[in-house]
Amino acid sequence: EPEVTQTPSHQVTQMGQEVILRCVPISNHLYFYWYRQILGQKVEFLVSFYNNEISEKSEIFDDQFSVERPDGSNFTLKIRSTKLEDSAMYFCASSKRLAGDVNEQFFGPGTRLTVL
Amino acid sequence: AQSVTQLDSHVSVSEGTPVLLRCNYSSSYSPSLFWYVQHPNKGLQLLLKYTSAATLVKGINGFEAEFKKSETSFHLTKPSAHMSDAAEYFCVVRTSTNAGGTSYGKLTFGQGTILTVHP
Repeated sequence: EPEVTQTPSHQVTQMGQEVILRCVPISNHLYFYWYRQILGQKVEFLVSFYNNEISEKSEIFDDQFSVERPDGSNFTLKIRSTKLEDSAMYFCASSKRLAGDVNEQFFGPGTRLTVL
Repeated sequence: AQSVTQLDSHVSVSEGTPVLLRCNYSSSYSPSLFWYVQHPNKGLQLLLKYTSAATLVKGINGFEAEFKKSETSFHLTKPSAHMSDAAEYFCVVRTSTNAGGTSYGKLTFGQGTILTVHP
């Protein structure tokens, strides 16, 4: 069964450093998402991406964040200068469509980012 | 705006007894509703979804949920708990597209309910 994969599973970085979190969505999916979950808090939407551009982003997704689909398979989240409060579990998700019967989002296992 | 409230942060049941995980939602327009499950060190797995078809939705592993518009609820149930059901469960809402605006698939999560199953 196809699944979303994410690498690395755990990333430790120093405050102020750049990190890139990588995701490989399900191959025939067209919509891509990033979410994050700070320890003890709700899962929060960060950004959605379609047709090589951002469709929607939350208030959290400021200028320090960027997303890219550099090739036909990878989807990346970059944090330019990490802060302590960026420590969280980051989930990538993908869906075939936005609406209708096949709009459900499939999630990867997550990358735990720890900023020291 | 949309929101989800899961009424219990922890639920504990004995194996073989029924499970009830409660969820209330708020959405301006016709919502799609989902339950996801997360086992320790695993990703979020879709249990079931409601997208304006039948109000009683059956999912994987014997779980069901009933959409009640009048109560704005989408409670998750299972007749008989199994040890393997122990996990964290998330109720999730997605607002459908409408004439007044556009949704690009943003999901809004509840805070999660940890289900413990005792032998």
